[in-house]
Amino acid sequence: QVHLQESGPGLAKPSQTLSLTCTVSGGSISSGGYYWSWIRQHPEKGLEWIGYIYYSGSAYYNPSLKSRVAISVDTSKSQFSLKLSSVTAADTAVYYCARWKDDHIGRFDCWGQGTLVTVSS
Amino acid sequence: DIQMTQSPSSLSASVGDRVTITCRASQSISSYLNWYQQKPGKAPNLLIYAASSLQSGVPSRFSGSGSGTDFTLTISSLQPEDFATYFCQQSYSTPRTFGQGTKVEIK
Repeated sequence: QVHLQESGPGLAKPSQTLSLTCTVSGGSISSGGYYWSWIRQHPEKGLEWIGYIYYSGSAYYNPSLKSRVAISVDTSKSQFSLKLSSVTAADTAVYYCARWKDDHIGRFDCWGQGTLVTVSS
Repeated sequence: DIQMTQSPSSLSASVGDRVTITCRASQSISSYLNWYQQKPGKAPNLLIYAASSLQSGVPSRFSGSGSGTDFTLTISSLQPEDFATYFCQQSYSTPRTFGQGTKVEIK
């Protein structure tokens, strides 16, 4: 069974870059048919898709964040990473990594536990 | 972007009740609709995909229906472990978007 685990600093300063990593275990990140995703949830709010990446490196981003986001993948470490630049308090959220099953329907079928990132000086 | 609107935002129900949650898309999305359950402090968990297909391991009291713009999640007999927040999500196009959630509380 695939397991995803987020890691990274829980605190980021305004204007700096938020960096998180998701480690995939119990399955291969290089398996075809899946995109590796980042999703965030503001406190007591809904869910916002940030973007996802295929093991080959092809990435897709939410246009609302595209200018500040970069997602990368390291298949040798079975990890993928998120960088969000120029953060403000509005980027304070729980960040989840998740697996997107890319069949004819598509769905987030496996999630990490999430990590809270607070943006504050 | 496709906007997803859920109703109600919250509801109170008793164990054993039949519960229905509605999700409406801002444009037709055929059957490209998924449902997730989220318990406090936990990640969302996939319940239903393709509008009506039950994810492996999910109890059969959960069911989904609908196509086009209007969709429904039904819990046939609410159990104590079902008190949670439920989200719909469209998989028709990017950006992937979610409804704002429906919180199911104990009456």
